Amino acid sequence: AQSVAQPEDQVNVAEGNPLTVKCTYSVSGNPYLFWYVQYPNRGLQFLLKYITGDNLVKGSYGFEAEFNKSQTSFHLKKPSALVSDSALYFCAVTSRGSTLGRLYFGRGTQLTVWP
Amino acid sequence: NAGVTQTPKFRVLKTGQSMTLLCAQDMNHEYMYWYRQDPGMGLRLIHYSVGEGTTAKGEVPDGYNVSRLKKQNFLLGLESAAPSQTSVYFCASRDRAYEQYFGPGTRLTVT
Repeated sequence: AQSVAQPEDQVNVAEGNPLTVKCTYSVSGNPYLFWYVQYPNRGLQFLLKYITGDNLVKGSYGFEAEFNKSQTSFHLKKPSALVSDSALYFCAVTSRGSTLGRLYFGRGTQLTVWP
Repeated sequence: NAGVTQTPKFRVLKTGQSMTLLCAQDMNHEYMYWYRQDPGMGLRLIHYSVGEGTTAKGEVPDGYNVSRLKKQNFLLGLESAAPSQTSVYFCASRDRAYEQYFGPGTRLTVT
């Protein structure tokens, strides 16, 4: 069965500091992994994805994520946080080759960056 | 190119009333999805469609029905609304690279 765990409900960091939002997954077969961001009263916006290839994936707004197959993790990172990064972040997974392409979402992590 | 749009943006219903939420996409995607978002629960899949004229149940389908008469539209219906259906509803469509594109959401309150 497919599932995603985001072990932290909240992450708080100071502006300018590096940030990490954690994600681990369980999937049958090889994974496709995604990060989405949701700002207040908005829909989800795509940040980045891992399909295959380089384990370090770069995405929008300076975010990156590292795929670690042995640890079944896909942590989201940014070297220097901005106050405007404050939002709700979702990790999602689907199985490569899945005809339905259904995404399984984590419960979300609220990121707060303070000035 | 509007992407995915949803109407209405907000709605308040009384218990037992019915309504239909409309989702439209202009990206010619085959796959479309309806989710609900509740605090601390992430997104849960209600129903989905793999093409015009086809629909299937997700993980929380009870109390909802859907239709996909046209490829670009995916309708979500509540026949008899209940307070437990108070939520934010999101529609999404999917491209061939498995990326999903989300609409802005509909905030529904059932009193």
